[in-house]
Amino acid sequence: AQSVAQPEDQVNVAEGNPLTVKCTYSVSGNPYLFWYVQYPNRGLQFLLKYITGDNLVKGSYGFEAEFNKSQTSFHLKKPSALVSDSALYFCAVRGNYGGSQGNLIFGKGTKLSVKP
Amino acid sequence: DVKVTQSSRYLVKRTGEKVFLECVQDMDHENMFWYRQDPGLGLRLIYFSYDVKMKEKGDIPEGYSVSREKKERFSLILESASTNQTSMYLCASYPGQGAWETQYFGPGTRLLVL
Repeated sequence: AQSVAQPEDQVNVAEGNPLTVKCTYSVSGNPYLFWYVQYPNRGLQFLLKYITGDNLVKGSYGFEAEFNKSQTSFHLKKPSALVSDSALYFCAVRGNYGGSQGNLIFGKGTKLSVKP
Repeated sequence: DVKVTQSSRYLVKRTGEKVFLECVQDMDHENMFWYRQDPGLGLRLIYFSYDVKMKEKGDIPEGYSVSREKKERFSLILESASTNQTSMYLCASYPGQGAWETQYFGPGTRLLVL
């Protein structure tokens, strides 16, 4: 069965420092992986996705993610964190529910806190 | 830009009431989804629909039903609301042409059942 794990409930980073939010996955077949961000009392906003090709994927707001097939990981990164990056981050993998390749299977989320 | 809207941002209902949550997307997407979000549990799929009048159960369909009479609209129905259905409800849509496509989310409805 497909699944996603985000091992950290919370990540604390000082502004200006690099940040990493971890994600590991388990899928059968080729993985389609996604990162979303959620600001308080908002819906999820798409950040980036991995489909195929280059293992380093660039996305919105300066975020990038590194796909590592051997470690089945898709960690989200940013070279220099901003206070405004503080939010809840979700990693997701494309499921295959009932023949419709549309549903996403989400991790439990990681709360990122960036302090000035 | 894809736009997914939900009829209410916040709702307060009483136990036993019938509750309707509406979701509309404006990009002619085939697939639509309802998730609920709870702290520490992430997002869990309640129901989805891949065509008008078609619906399929997700992981946690108990206590919910859905309706899709038009392509752009997908409604979630709580037949008799209970306190354990207090949650954040998120609607999403997806073109359905390929697994690589992005799923788009609405702003969410925070439901409190008293």
